[in-house]
Amino acid sequence: GAVVSQHPSWVICKSGTSVKIECRSLDFQATTMFWYRQFPKQSLMLMATSNEGSKATYEQGVEKDKFLINHASLTLSTLTVTSAHPEDSSFYICSARGGSQQYFGPGTRLTVT
Amino acid sequence: ILNVEQSPQSLHVQEGDSTNFTCSFPSSNFYALHWYRWETAKSPEALFVMTLNGDEKKKGRISATLNTKEGYSYLYIKGSQPEDSATYLCAFDQAGTALIFGKGTTLSVSS
Repeated sequence: GAVVSQHPSWVICKSGTSVKIECRSLDFQATTMFWYRQFPKQSLMLMATSNEGSKATYEQGVEKDKFLINHASLTLSTLTVTSAHPEDSSFYICSARGGSQQYFGPGTRLTVT
Repeated sequence: ILNVEQSPQSLHVQEGDSTNFTCSFPSSNFYALHWYRWETAKSPEALFVMTLNGDEKKKGRISATLNTKEGYSYLYIKGSQPEDSATYLCAFDQAGTALIFGKGTTLSVSS
């Protein structure tokens, strides 16, 4: 099956700093990628849809100025958490659609201290 | 708000036992239902994409059924093995775009 990588797998940062998470489709091109977030004991919740060459579409309640998404190529989307706060600590995971399937990266555990 | 429910939340079985989980989803605007197997520190692995009412898919000891009219899908594991221990996620695909996930069923298989 197709492979999606995500980097870093975990990161600890101080409150007020910014963190960039990369999501790459390694063996296929993805015009659309998705960013999800998961809090403990909760479902994966869609944050935004990332479209190559255009602006991301954010779900209701997700601040677009805080969670900056850039999809500059057909194989790379980045999520930048700006001015991170402890409440942004969560598990972030990306996916890319290939045909009828969605392929997921392994996720990034973000801890903001 | 679209809701996808999975039950049970967790399950502990002995090696060799057969087991099944339930996923319930909205019965309107159905496009597909996805099942994933998710082991800690790994990417969720796609098991099945189910699109047709009455569909039944099988992959080794794992199989799944789909009822779109009543909005549920069952995942069955026959003869559970310790390596089957994982969280099993179902996701509702309404329009071929983003997925709406349940909270998952965490299976633990003891040898």
